[in-house]
Amino acid sequence: DAGITQSPRHKVTETGTPVTLRCHQTENHRYMYWYRQDPGHGLRLIHYSYGVKDTDKGEVSDGYSVSRSKTEDFLLTLESATSSQTSVYFCAISERLGAEQTQYFGPGTRLLVL
Amino acid sequence: QKEVEQNSGPLSVPEGAIASLNCTYSDRGSQSFFWYRQYSGKSPELIMFIYSNGDKEDGRFTAQLNKASQYVSLLIRDSQPSDSATYLCAVVPSGSARQLTFGSGTQLTVLP
Repeated sequence: DAGITQSPRHKVTETGTPVTLRCHQTENHRYMYWYRQDPGHGLRLIHYSYGVKDTDKGEVSDGYSVSRSKTEDFLLTLESATSSQTSVYFCAISERLGAEQTQYFGPGTRLLVL
Repeated sequence: QKEVEQNSGPLSVPEGAIASLNCTYSDRGSQSFFWYRQYSGKSPELIMFIYSNGDKEDGRFTAQLNKASQYVSLLIRDSQPSDSATYLCAVVPSGSARQLTFGSGTQLTVLP
């Protein structure tokens, strides 16, 4: 998993509660990403970071916020979880592959919002 | 219109056959293309990448790219039951070297 860990790996929560997912990497990668994966939709980008305190929105950012206070940690927060945010969440890092960049993924977090 | 299209499947092939997975993309400026394999309950893992028109072979896998037709494919020769997984096509969109756009994946089952 390219030195990427995610916590928690599984979480069940109730609608309206805040939830924070953590992504930790040990190889000093500058770029980090949060995706969600749902049946029929593939992987969709939520937010990404290009450095400490530097973040930007992806395709499906509504209802999510992120923070990156250290290079190794990228946090995804659901301020008030909704059932539509039930999903599998993957963190990824960007790494050079030849002349290009590609992405490697963490193990994922399964989130169920009741 | 989705930017990266894949047939969702499921695609079933007998063991030993060639599995052909297809992907089309809408961004004509895309230059880099990746195939990920994802086993059920696991994270996607990179298996192939291709940047130039033509074929690229790696073991039993061959990636084919045709930029004029905006088409990329993955062939798996001598398919094995262990190849049963969902295969995701990913494209680097023009102007976004650090991002990937994913297709929704094709589920492949290799029957013993």
